[in-house]
Amino acid sequence: DSGVTQTPKHLITATGQRVTLRCSPRSGDLSVYWYQQSLDQGLQFLIQYYNGEERAKGNILERFSAQQFPDLHSELNLSSLELGDSALYFCASSPAADLRPGAQFFGPGTRLTVL
Amino acid sequence: AQKITQTQPGMFVQEKEAVTLDCTYDTSDPSYGLFWYKQPSSGEMIFLIYQGSYDQQNATEGRYSLNFQKARKSANLVISASQLGDSAMYFCAIPSFFTGNQFYFGTGTSLTVIP
Repeated sequence: DSGVTQTPKHLITATGQRVTLRCSPRSGDLSVYWYQQSLDQGLQFLIQYYNGEERAKGNILERFSAQQFPDLHSELNLSSLELGDSALYFCASSPAADLRPGAQFFGPGTRLTVL
Repeated sequence: AQKITQTQPGMFVQEKEAVTLDCTYDTSDPSYGLFWYKQPSSGEMIFLIYQGSYDQQNATEGRYSLNFQKARKSANLVISASQLGDSAMYFCAIPSFFTGNQFYFGTGTSLTVIP
């Protein structure tokens, strides 16, 4: 158990819908990262928050957004869902400050299926 | 941007034998680290081992060790005394030093341990 929790574990929804994925980082970790894992794109970084502030953006679609709350949990919002958004979405947290790379600890992931 | 290459899509190893999983990288960062993660069929990402670019000795964690050759830009994972539970996908990752340390992942190697 990495100490990172993600809910829900599975999500099945229809095209055009909006969903929210939730992540709670390990106690004390200030950085939260979101990744998408799909068969065709592999593991891709979406977005990072550090202590409530957006820190870096990767290949995140405009239909997707995220935030990190004062208690450090994070939510990833996916809207106007398309079939191609079906993937495993991971949240990871890290204790590392920006200038020192550290291990990221991954949650169990949310498997999103868009029908 | 960082680039990670894993050229072995699938590997087989006999139980109790050692196996080496290849990883090469490309980065212009002055200081960096290489991470290996294991993803069993259940889907979670498990941190295995880390090596910093200025570490003098190759990292070891139990049955895992890194064969780090900086001049060749390779950081191969060696698993000794393979066990059936080692069957999984293995990913090499490198963080982006200047932009929040998000990870760039390779495409992964699927390892199957044969009894």
